[in-house]
Amino acid sequence: GEDVEQSLFLSVREGDSSVINCTYTDSSSTYLYWYKQEPGAGLQLLTYIFSNMDMKQDQRLTVLLNKKDKHLSLRIADTQTGDSAIYFCAESIINFNKFYFGSGTKLNVKP
Amino acid sequence: DVKVTQSSRYLVKRTGEKVFLECVQDMDHENMFWYRQDPGLGLRLIYFSYDVKMKEKGDIPEGYSVSREKKERFSLILESASTNQTSMYLCASSSAGGNGYTFGSGTRLTVV
Repeated sequence: GEDVEQSLFLSVREGDSSVINCTYTDSSSTYLYWYKQEPGAGLQLLTYIFSNMDMKQDQRLTVLLNKKDKHLSLRIADTQTGDSAIYFCAESIINFNKFYFGSGTKLNVKP
Repeated sequence: DVKVTQSSRYLVKRTGEKVFLECVQDMDHENMFWYRQDPGLGLRLIYFSYDVKMKEKGDIPEGYSVSREKKERFSLILESASTNQTSMYLCASSSAGGNGYTFGSGTRLTVV
């Protein structure tokens, strides 16, 4: 499958901003996604960006896409303890409707 | 509220048993997927299906099979469970467009 890479851990203090990074290899990606997984639960879609966009903002979440470098980031403003979870980056290839996931970044928010 | 429902949250089976993991979605989605999730390895695709009675191998199909007799139901079958199949199994579905997967809450399978 395609390579989608993320760092495994990130630790921030409550109230700070968190930035979770992701790199991918397939330049024909059509959509890129961020999912959140809380302990013991399935994955919940947080946001997604179409590959012809550079940025998308949704309340505290900002997604940045650098298509040239194949780099995707998720910024969470004013991070709260409830944001502690594993965050997965994913890409989809339009002809296959298959998703490729990164290994997930575990975000730990310290009070 | 739209849903993907996995029949069991926790399951313990013995080595060599035949195991069925069931997944049902109520969104009339065409596509359904089975992943396993292991620490440090992320999500790995086992099998997927684009239509009834249709299946495609994912990245790690060995030791598994699937069945999709009805659009809303996608079953994962472990023909002869082994300890290395102890994992969290996640089912997902999606429509034909690119608006993301909906995941079930997962089945944590332990093979002893």
